[in-house]
Amino acid sequence: DQQVKQNSPSLSVQEGRISILNCDYTNSMFDYFLWYKKYPAEGPTFLISISSIKDKNEDGRFTVFLNKSAKHLSLHIVPSQPGDSAVYFCAASGSGGSNYKLTFGKGTLLTVNP
Amino acid sequence: DVKVTQSSRYLVKRTGEKVFLECVQDMDHENMFWYRQDPGLGLRLIYFSYDVKMKEKGDIPEGYSVSREKKERFSLILESASTNQTSMYLCASSPGGQQLGNTIYFGEGSWLTVV
Repeated sequence: DQQVKQNSPSLSVQEGRISILNCDYTNSMFDYFLWYKKYPAEGPTFLISISSIKDKNEDGRFTVFLNKSAKHLSLHIVPSQPGDSAVYFCAASGSGGSNYKLTFGKGTLLTVNP
Repeated sequence: DVKVTQSSRYLVKRTGEKVFLECVQDMDHENMFWYRQDPGLGLRLIYFSYDVKMKEKGDIPEGYSVSREKKERFSLILESASTNQTSMYLCASSPGGQQLGNTIYFGEGSWLTVV
């Protein structure tokens, strides 16, 4: 049973435009959400996070939106740059004794074309 | 800077061999994790440890064991390697007692091929 879903395996956008990566979750115990970025042959690096008490968090070109009622979050990258081309993983953690574990989605490969 | 170091980047092992993947972190973190990454499957948690000599199974522990004799070191053991364990293995660490967020740090990964 997949608790964190990234339904788009890949996304292609033009440089300078907006990239929107989507993530859905099913476990209502999740209360902290993160995005990681991964280049080939490297480990994932943390990008941005959001707590369930917020609906938006912004860091430079990256903004994460959380819709708790829909159990949906999205990552917006504006403007997109070729160096943003990578696999993006959505992850979630929750209370109830498992707050140090992350559950990851399958990832979305973002390609930003010059 | 926090550093999580995985001792081997690329390994090729034969079916049935015992394989050790070693991971060391230098930030005195309580929590350490082993994930594997496979195309189309994302990152899946194999085992984690929240203290020395303590371990808990993740989502896919079958065929694996772990050892944490020292706080900074977390080893993943494949008792008898099989071809379906060919994958990229990622070690990670985080401080204890607080919510995960920008505090989980990954190593660069170990590519294991079992032939």
